[in-house]
Amino acid sequence: AQTVTQSQPEMSVQEAETVTLSCTYDTSESDYYLFWYKQPPSRQMILVIRQEAYKQQNATENRFSVNFQKAAKSFSLKISDSQLGDAAMYFCAYRGNFGNEKLTFGTGTRLTIIP
Amino acid sequence: DTAVSQTPKYLVTQMGNDKSIKCEQNLGHDTMYWYKQDSKKFLKIMFSYNNKELIINETVPNRFSPKSPDKAHLNLHINSLELGDSAVYFCASSQGDRRTGEQYFGPGTRLTVT
Repeated sequence: AQTVTQSQPEMSVQEAETVTLSCTYDTSESDYYLFWYKQPPSRQMILVIRQEAYKQQNATENRFSVNFQKAAKSFSLKISDSQLGDAAMYFCAYRGNFGNEKLTFGTGTRLTIIP
Repeated sequence: DTAVSQTPKYLVTQMGNDKSIKCEQNLGHDTMYWYKQDSKKFLKIMFSYNNKELIINETVPNRFSPKSPDKAHLNLHINSLELGDSAVYFCASSQGDRRTGEQYFGPGTRLTVT
């Protein structure tokens, strides 16, 4: 069974600074997808970024980028130029190769932005 | 305009009652899911349906019964509610035959059992 571990229950960063959230996972599959979801206080789950395991290039979405290390089974999220609106719970998630497979989530990291 | 909607958003009920949560998606997706988020914010899959067929059932007590009348709807019925059922329940949907298909989540239903 796949597992996802987020070792940082809480992180904080000064506004406009950069922060990196860590995620490691365990799987015996070679092809899969990894995601970062954001959950603000409104509790809506919002997809931040997606990485396909067979792509070596790290995904980027505006101020959000990942460092995907397949051999190390590591998938960290970097947020640049942090903004107050980035304050939220961030969940790392793993999904198998098919679009109808479940998401396996990590325990989440609560990110606080310091003005 | 809402992609995945859930009703109700909040549900407060007493132990022993039976309640239902409804979910509808207008994205044309063929796969729908129920996730449970507990008080520690941990999210875990409960069920998923693909084209109205149950494909995932993750050791959920049989007091929980999902029903999918059509591809666009997945309801969750809970019998004999217990205190431990208090949680936020999220519905989600995706297009199962798209490898890159992301899951779109509803706004969640906060269930409180007293």
